[in-house]
Amino acid sequence: QSALTQPPSASGSPGQSVTISCTGTSSDVGGYNYVSWYQQHPGKAPKLVIYEVSKRPSGVPDRFSGSKSGNTASLTVSGLLDEDEADYFCSSYAGGNSFVFGGGTKLTVL
Amino acid sequence: QVQLVQSGAEVKKPGASVKVSCKTSGYTFTGYYIHWVRQAPGQGLEWMGRVNPRTGGTDYAHRFQGRVTMTRDTSISTAYMELSSLKSDDTVVYYCVREAGGSGTYHFDYWGQGTLVTVSS
Repeated sequence: QSALTQPPSASGSPGQSVTISCTGTSSDVGGYNYVSWYQQHPGKAPKLVIYEVSKRPSGVPDRFSGSKSGNTASLTVSGLLDEDEADYFCSSYAGGNSFVFGGGTKLTVL
Repeated sequence: QVQLVQSGAEVKKPGASVKVSCKTSGYTFTGYYIHWVRQAPGQGLEWMGRVNPRTGGTDYAHRFQGRVTMTRDTSISTAYMELSSLKSDDTVVYYCVREAGGSGTYHFDYWGQGTLVTVSS
């Protein structure tokens, strides 16, 4: 499977909102509501922030939200805080008991 | 609390094999798939495959078929990933990851700390 496509970078000022896209195909993102998003700070393991397109795990602020349209999923971070500066990766179930990740987006809080 | 603790960094020569362990605790080991995901420095995540700790059944990404073996030892709640015929571009960090919930949840809720494997002659 090919990796999901994410923009390499995104940025926003504190308090603003930023949206990160994740584009796949009808065989992964478009075919299943099993898109998840992960936040990774430097030198740390990734952390789940969104699952099943738009659900938030316990403990994740409601500033994080997810959506999907066709073959593209999106993660929106509202009310940006300095601590949101990190790399963000999307993932999707791709059928046949396989999974695919995105290339990652570096979010900078200006 | 749920913990996934991986074995330490490894240095291997090209053509060799490496086996990384992932010791779990804080939950019922046989109730959750364990996946292996890798990440090159400054790069994206790449899914390698998964093992069903209850049955030992595996699913591998196509590009690793024939080169990766994922196993488990239920007596010590530990999963293993062995990668053979190592090449220089296998120099990455390997993560073991728990798939949330039971079968069919398709997202990952707990990650190991990562194991750096360096392939160098």
